[in-house]
Amino acid sequence: EDQVTQSPEALRLQEGESSSLNCSYTVSGLRGLFWYRQDPGKGPEFLFTLYSAGEEKEKERLKATLTKKESFLHITAPKPEDSATYLCAVQARTGNQFYFGTGTSLTVIP
Amino acid sequence: ETGVTQTPRHLVMGMTNKKSLKCEQHLGHNAMYWYKQSAKKPLELMFVYSLEERVENNSVPSRFSPECPNSSHLFLHLHTLQPEDSALYLCASSQDSGVAEQFFGPGTRLTVL
Repeated sequence: EDQVTQSPEALRLQEGESSSLNCSYTVSGLRGLFWYRQDPGKGPEFLFTLYSAGEEKEKERLKATLTKKESFLHITAPKPEDSATYLCAVQARTGNQFYFGTGTSLTVIP
Repeated sequence: ETGVTQTPRHLVMGMTNKKSLKCEQHLGHNAMYWYKQSAKKPLELMFVYSLEERVENNSVPSRFSPECPNSSHLFLHLHTLQPEDSALYLCASSQDSGVAEQFFGPGTRLTVL
């Protein structure tokens, strides 16, 4: 069964304390893996797309990496404004299905 | 207006009511989506439209009825809903239904009494 699991469920960091969020997936052929950020009361905001193992993408303090079984979202020296829920999603190679994880709620404390 | 807009932002309805959610995208995209987001659960993909044609329907109860009159507008018609249908309903669009990042609207918070 195709599915996406994110860990940890919640993460509290001190400002400047780097860490990583995990997204593990099982899908019958990966077409793409997506990372989104969701703030309270808003829809998810697109961050990255990764297509193949070994690929990396960076944006400001965020860096996403992909292996054959999982993806990591590395946050370097986070700031309070990075506090949000980070969602991972995969798209299977066949059909138009997107599978989302339940997200990691990140809180960065000043 | 820019991006993806949704109206209304909040909706309270009884189980016997009929209401509609509206989504409009101003991005020139060809694919549009309806998702359901419930607390502690993953986003559930409900419907996918590509060039106004429904290409995915994930066993959604018939009390939810989508309509896509053109590539910029998407509706979700609701009737005889159940309390467990209370959730955040998100609309999204993408350039096409292939591998493409989706742009989400702010959602409609639906409460069924």
